[in-house]
Amino acid sequence: SAVISQKPSRDICQRGTSLTIQCQVDSQVTMMFWYRQQPGQSLTLIATANQGSEATYESGFVIDKFPISRPNLTFSTLTVSNMSPEDSSIYLCSVEGQGAEQYFGPGTRLTVT
Amino acid sequence: GESVGLHLPTLSVQEGDNSIINCAYSNSASDYFIWYKQESGKGPQFIIDIRSNMDKRQGQRVTVLLNKTVKHLSLQIAATQPGDSAVYFCAEIVLTGGGNKLTFGTGTQLKVEL
Repeated sequence: SAVISQKPSRDICQRGTSLTIQCQVDSQVTMMFWYRQQPGQSLTLIATANQGSEATYESGFVIDKFPISRPNLTFSTLTVSNMSPEDSSIYLCSVEGQGAEQYFGPGTRLTVT
Repeated sequence: GESVGLHLPTLSVQEGDNSIINCAYSNSASDYFIWYKQESGKGPQFIIDIRSNMDKRQGQRVTVLLNKTVKHLSLQIAATQPGDSAVYFCAEIVLTGGGNKLTFGTGTQLKVEL
């Protein structure tokens, strides 16, 4: 399985500001995925990021709020824009394995005050 | 570490007993099912998967059972150990050509009592 790292591991931010989360993979992958996990909840897919094209967003998530970059086959960023306390969550990136399974990074724990 | 299981159903078992964690899925067209383990402060860790054309698959100390008739999935952990304490999620996948999307279940917190 791929080794995935995320930066920062956690942050506390003020409302109205933006935070960019980085996801780095140790091998080249076609698809990268971004998820949100609200406190005490399960994971919800935000968007799928394919290198060289615009990300595909799930219902309820929009590019203006969660812009994503995918500049190469090992890296992606997710920005949480104009944050409010409701954005306090764990944000996780993942990549596909050999089959349909996905492997996850350690997550970025965001608290918005 | 931070807990992600504060509002999740909890299963408590004694160390050494077998654990059975259940999951009801929603999409009869799902092609693939996965169980993940999430320890406090970490991302989900892949445990085992099963294709929809199978009804049972075994791994090391774990067995996944799939009942498509009632859309039910279970994870059995043999001889549960303290290190098994975590939140367990099932996920279903409909295979597509443009990135396979995981839909996660609500999760179950497993607590192993010594």
